[in-house]
Amino acid sequence: NAGVTQTPKFRVLKTGQSMTLLCAQDMNHEYMYWYRQDPGMGLRLIHYSVGEGTTAKGEVPDGYNVSRLKKQNFLLGLESAAPSQTSVYFCASSYVGAGLGWIYNEQFFGPGTRLTVL
Amino acid sequence: GENVEQHPSTLSVQEGDSAVIKCTYSDSASNYFPWYKQELGKRPQLIIDIRSNVGEKKDQRIAVTLNKTAKHFSLHITETQPEDSAVYFCAAPFLSGYSTLTFGKGTMLLVSP
Repeated sequence: NAGVTQTPKFRVLKTGQSMTLLCAQDMNHEYMYWYRQDPGMGLRLIHYSVGEGTTAKGEVPDGYNVSRLKKQNFLLGLESAAPSQTSVYFCASSYVGAGLGWIYNEQFFGPGTRLTVL
Repeated sequence: GENVEQHPSTLSVQEGDSAVIKCTYSDSASNYFPWYKQELGKRPQLIIDIRSNVGEKKDQRIAVTLNKTAKHFSLHITETQPEDSAVYFCAAPFLSGYSTLTFGKGTMLLVSP
């Protein structure tokens, strides 16, 4: 049981290049997320998915696209990288439950991808 | 969407002391408040959460309290140990509902031996 994995772990891009980050989870979770983490800024939600074939925008979606063609995979794309996209990117998945007066959303994070855009 | 403010940004304590981290939120409808711990170079991991139908929850040396009227919640760590050194994030539901979370900016806790 690998949990949440991310590929690659590190990447250096030049401005204008494109790339795709892959996230995979083996916990059969419906919900998946992409965050970026910058010093002093916490974790900011880029895009998320509530199930296979669905995606939605988070707090900072500009410059990124995502796809969820299979339940276990969530891809994050940068079409034309900019230095402002230098960051550590975390993928997460979760089981989300709710009942009368309660909810539950424990997010399981991947190990992160450190991206530098020159 | 929800706005979560977290204080302090850094906290230094001596081993054995207590540490308290506070967060405030803006959406009075929020009803789920998790705390995550991120050790240096590692991924964030859930350490405790609280739902709006209780005011306090404990798990060994950590506890979380919630004041819905004032819209704030706090993480309490007692008898701190060097391995408690990490960045701690509070969170609350980002939009109406529960499918996403918005995180505070984090508190770096340093526990000195």
